Amino acid sequence: AQSVSQHNHHVILSEAASLELGCNYSYGGTVNLFWYVQYPGQHLQLLLKYFSGDPLVKGIKGFEAEFIKSKFSFNLRKPSVQWSDTAEYFCAVNGGATNKLIFGTGTLLAVQP
Amino acid sequence: SQTIHQWPATLVQPVGSPLSLECTVEGTSNPNLYWYRQAAGRGLQLLFYSVGIGQISSEVPQNLSASRPQDRQFILSSKKLLLSDSGFYLCAWSSGSGYEQYFGPGTRLTVT
Repeated sequence: AQSVSQHNHHVILSEAASLELGCNYSYGGTVNLFWYVQYPGQHLQLLLKYFSGDPLVKGIKGFEAEFIKSKFSFNLRKPSVQWSDTAEYFCAVNGGATNKLIFGTGTLLAVQP
Repeated sequence: SQTIHQWPATLVQPVGSPLSLECTVEGTSNPNLYWYRQAAGRGLQLLFYSVGIGQISSEVPQNLSASRPQDRQFILSSKKLLLSDSGFYLCAWSSGSGYEQYFGPGTRLTVT
């Protein structure tokens, strides 16, 4: 069965610090990968996605993620976080073109001004 | 553009009462539809999904059921609520298998 692991459950950073959130998945075949973000009081929204091609994916608000197939990873990065990046971040995987997204347990990011 | 609506936004129901949560999508046709439950620290758990009218797949055995009476309407129901049904319920849609999903605002259900 597919699964997704997010190793950091709660991250606290100061503004301008760099961010990297880990995401590992278990599925041996072709995968589609996603990062979602949920800002306080708002809908869950798509941050970025990887289907194929360049393994370094650019998303909204300066976020990027790198797909490393050999490591089954899709880590999220941002060079310099802002207070407005405070949110919960979810990694998700869809393997084998099924109808289902499997979500990680989420990482709560708090950015201190 | 596509929009997804869920109602009610919050609901407080006694144990043993019935439940009906509604989700509708606008601006697209024949979407895949999904119901999730979100619990703090546990991510999103897929409850049901549907690829068409009357077609429902259940992911986990539970006290809930789902129905899709129209192309863009997805309903989550229960005949008798349990305390353990409390949670945050999210509806989502996608344009097909493997594609990104778009989420509604959610319903906060408290069973007392």
